[in-house]
Amino acid sequence: DGGITQSPKYLFRKEGQNVTLSCEQNLNHDAMYWYRQDPGQGLRLIYYSQIVNDFQKGDIAEGYSVSREKKESFPLTVTSAQKNPTAFYLCASSFGTGHVNQPQHFGDGTRLSIL
Amino acid sequence: GQNIDQPTEMTATEGAIVQINCTYQTSGFNGLFWYQQHAGEAPTFLSYNVLDGLEEKGRFSSFLSRSKGYSYLLLKELQMKDSASYLCAVLDSNYQLIWGAGTKLIIKP
Repeated sequence: DGGITQSPKYLFRKEGQNVTLSCEQNLNHDAMYWYRQDPGQGLRLIYYSQIVNDFQKGDIAEGYSVSREKKESFPLTVTSAQKNPTAFYLCASSFGTGHVNQPQHFGDGTRLSIL
Repeated sequence: GQNIDQPTEMTATEGAIVQINCTYQTSGFNGLFWYQQHAGEAPTFLSYNVLDGLEEKGRFSSFLSRSKGYSYLLLKELQMKDSASYLCAVLDSNYQLIWGAGTKLIIKP
């Protein structure tokens, strides 16, 4: 079955540590996205990528980094510069801007907490 | 700025009908999506509207009025499993999804 796989499901970060969240999709989607979800707030876009080897900052990119070396993979690194990383992180993918009626599909999320 | 407003929480009774409203002010409009999200899980796609009117899909229907910047999601014959958050999102002129904070729907027996 096609889908998006995020790992790990739960992650704990120590002070000063960088951690990487994995996102893999086998839907043949061109576009991939990372969102952060905090209680009582809408999804906020961290980074997105419309094509391999290219990505753009979203609304809250500070303290985060990404790479898009393969179409299927879009890992997110939460760096020590992100002072409030505790949140639910969601990865999504879609066919891209040429298919406006096609929805984004989401992974099951990674819940990140500070130790 | 861009803004999407939804009620924070609603309560309804099993078997009844509930309407969840969404109003938006965005730079451009390329469609409106509704998603369902159970607690701790991923959002799942429910509907997409780009033209005015009502789209019906089983127990769920979605309505759009572009001139009023308004949409609603109508859920009929409510079941306990419909207890979830319902997210409204608008695709703006840059083809970015702008998300509302979501409406938590509580279903009581």
